[in-house]
Parts: sequence; structure tokens; C-alpha cells
Amino acid sequence: DTAVSQTPKYLVTQMGNDKSIKCEQNLGHDTMYWYKQDSKKFLKIMFSYNNKELIINETVPNRFSPKSPDKAHLNLHINSLELGDSAVYFCASSQDQHRGGYTFGSGTRLTVV
Amino acid sequence: QKEVEQDPGPLSVPEGAIVSLNCTYSNSAFQYFMWYRQYSRKGPELLMYTYSSGNKEDGRFTAQVDKSSKYISLFIRDSQPSDSATYLCAMSVYSGAGSYQLTFGKGTKLSVIP
Repeated sequence: DTAVSQTPKYLVTQMGNDKSIKCEQNLGHDTMYWYKQDSKKFLKIMFSYNNKELIINETVPNRFSPKSPDKAHLNLHINSLELGDSAVYFCASSQDQHRGGYTFGSGTRLTVV
Repeated sequence: QKEVEQDPGPLSVPEGAIVSLNCTYSNSAFQYFMWYRQYSRKGPELLMYTYSSGNKEDGRFTAQVDKSSKYISLFIRDSQPSDSATYLCAMSVYSGAGSYQLTFGKGTKLSVIP
């Protein structure tokens, strides 16, 4: 009965590889997000989707591509992984009227070696 | 100057102490103010949510917003070891198409010592 679930929890991969992280929410929320948390614990927005439409696309390399097949899913695909991509990636969702009250997944810890 | 400033700590207090956590912000457009708690290796969870200036209380937690000073606080009374976590302030502004964009502070790591 997990509200926002991400897979995988841990991902170790070599530089240059392509990888995907999946996210699903069963809360019926309209908006989903990807956040990146660096080694200093700073959380920064990457993307936001509202009803499968891209709303926010912060300055991230175009190697990162989000895909939302439906309102309950938001996946993140990363091409040509670099060492600097190592971080924890969090998926989150919110209902419009929550105005910022997000529900986060437990994160995907990505390590690029 | 970053939009949201938060002292990263770490902050260490004895059990039962009153804890005060603070953030300042520079963007007057921020409309909603939140505190999230993040345990180690977990996602942030929403703790408190406020809109207007003033105080909001929930059990041992009190959130305070002063929009004129662009300053928000979280007070924890009778702190417990289970309160040991990183506390992140967050503020949101409408970003269009029904979406509210959150900007986070860097988080303050709190340890409550038994």
C-alpha cells in the first residue's frame, strides 16, 4: 500500500551506461516530480508533470529525459551516465490544491563508477 | 543570495529540550510554507504546512511564519530521540497549470541525545 514507490532503490553502474528509474503513485494525485538530492543533502527540482504534461523542466542536461505514460507513472531515463550524476533521486506527487504538500518516494541511490 | 537560507547544523540537544529551527527567504512570491522531516536513507515527509503569518500548532510541533521579515521557524517541544532527523524548510509558489513549485532549504540535521 506504498503511496509513492520507486524502483530500483539502489543502482550502481558504469560511466557511459544508460539507465532508467521508475516511479508510481497510487494516491490519485495530478502532479508528479523528480528531485535530485546531492551529497550535501540539497534537494533540487528537475522535472514536474501535471496530468502527463511537462510543466517544469529545470536546467538539467538533456541526457535526462522524463516520461509519463499516464497520470500515475513518471519515469526518468538517463543517457551516457557521468560521475557527477551520482546522487539520490526522489520522485514525489501532489494534488493541485495541496499547493506544495508533496508525498515523496523513498529515493533511488544512484552511484556511477 | 540563495532564495532559501537554512543553517545546516548539525544541532545536538538533550532529550526534553525545546528545539528551534529557522529559515529565511528572499522571494516575496512564496505563498505556502512547509517543514519536512527526513530520516536517514528515507524520503522527506511533510510535517507542517502553513499559509498565513502566525503560529500553527500540531502536538509537540509549532510552525511560525513572519512574512514581513521573510522568516519561518519550527519549534519542537519535549524533544525525543525519535525526532533525530534532518528538517527541511520548503516554500512554494504557483508555477502554472495547477502546479506548485517547491524550493527547499538545505536542511538542518538534528540529533536528540537520550
